[in-house]
Amino acid sequence: DGGITQSPKYLFRKEGQNVTLSCEQNLNHDAMYWYRQDPGQGLRLIYYSQIVNDFQKGDIAEGYSVSREKKESFPLTVTSAQKNPTAFYLCASRLGPGRSNEQFFGPGTRLTVL
Amino acid sequence: GQQLNQSPQSMFIQEGEDVSMNCTSSSIFNTWLWYKQDPGEGPVLLIALYKAGELTSNGRLTAQFGITRKDSFLNISASIPSDVGIYFCAGLGSKSTFGDGTTLTVKP
Repeated sequence: DGGITQSPKYLFRKEGQNVTLSCEQNLNHDAMYWYRQDPGQGLRLIYYSQIVNDFQKGDIAEGYSVSREKKESFPLTVTSAQKNPTAFYLCASRLGPGRSNEQFFGPGTRLTVL
Repeated sequence: GQQLNQSPQSMFIQEGEDVSMNCTSSSIFNTWLWYKQDPGEGPVLLIALYKAGELTSNGRLTAQFGITRKDSFLNISASIPSDVGIYFCAGLGSKSTFGDGTTLTVKP
């Protein structure tokens, strides 16, 4: 089945530690995105990548880093510089500019900093 | 940057009632998407709209792409308890812009 997978579903981290969230898609989509969602709030864009080996900062990139070495994968690292990292993180992908513009989401990873 | 105003923020309705929510923007979009999110899960795409004026249905759901390309609405007819969740709109141009969501509660 084609889709987007995120792992793990739940993640616990101690303060001061970096942690990497996985996002994989087998939809052959060019564009991938990371969003942060806080309770009762909408989606805020962290980083996005339109093509392999290229990515841009979103609206709240501070304290996060990404890489896009493969088309299928777009891991997000939450660094110790992120002051309030506890949140629900959503990865998404999209075919790219053009007619079929649907954006699909993964199931999310809930990160809790202890 | 681009912003979407989604309303209402929340709705409390009785089972069987119809629901309507909308998104408006000062920006023009090429595509409008509507999603539903259940607690602790990722948003699931409900309806995609590609042309101004387009009206599309998916079961009890109907959505329209505004003629000005700056707005869209979603209607849910004859609501049932499993309709509970958060509904998001998204406008797509060069980037995706999301509304803040409408939280729907359905009382049996």
